[in-house]
Amino acid sequence: EAQVTQNPRYLITVTGKKLTVTCSQNMNHEYMSWYRQDPGLGLRQIYYSMNVEVTDKGDVPEGYKVSRKEKRNFPLILESPSPNQTSLYFCASSFGFGVAGDNEQFFGPGTRLTVL
Amino acid sequence: GQNIDQPTEMTATEGAIVQINCTYQTSGFNGLFWYQQHAGEAPTFLSYNVLDGLEEKGRFSSFLSRSKGYSYLLLKELQMKDSASYLCAFPSGSARQLTFGSGTQLTVLP
Repeated sequence: EAQVTQNPRYLITVTGKKLTVTCSQNMNHEYMSWYRQDPGLGLRQIYYSMNVEVTDKGDVPEGYKVSRKEKRNFPLILESPSPNQTSLYFCASSFGFGVAGDNEQFFGPGTRLTVL
Repeated sequence: GQNIDQPTEMTATEGAIVQINCTYQTSGFNGLFWYQQHAGEAPTFLSYNVLDGLEEKGRFSSFLSRSKGYSYLLLKELQMKDSASYLCAFPSGSARQLTFGSGTQLTVLP
């Protein structure tokens, strides 16, 4: 089944404790992205990757890191989480981007993170 | 700058038709997306318009006017399962990013 998977789905942690949220897609998509969703603010893009070893900042990258060593995986790393990073996180992928064909993004199920 | 505006909430009755509007401002236009998101779930793709006009997909249609910076999503024969948030979005940042509106929460009443 074609899908985007994220782990963990739920996480409660404490300030300063490094964590990684994994994202994997099995559709051979080139484009991958991380978003956070907060009430009243909608989905905001954190980082995106257009291909292996190519990553770039989105609109809210502060406090986050990513890597794209393999095409299928795009982990999100919080080196020192803070309470303002409490949010719902979505990973997404697409074959193309912009006005290219097959540019619809497929989203993972989400990771609900609470930082105390 | 770049901006998207959608109504925060809408309510409609089962079986009715509802139109969800989206206005946008962007320096370079690369199409407009609509996504549906049920509470607690991931967004799912509904439509992508890059040319002016109406595109129909079953009960859902999406309209675009590039000159007016305006799009709408039309939902016909509303069903209870259509209760969800509807997000419009456009490619930004040289079309490598996706900028979302805050979403319109649609409630379908029996």
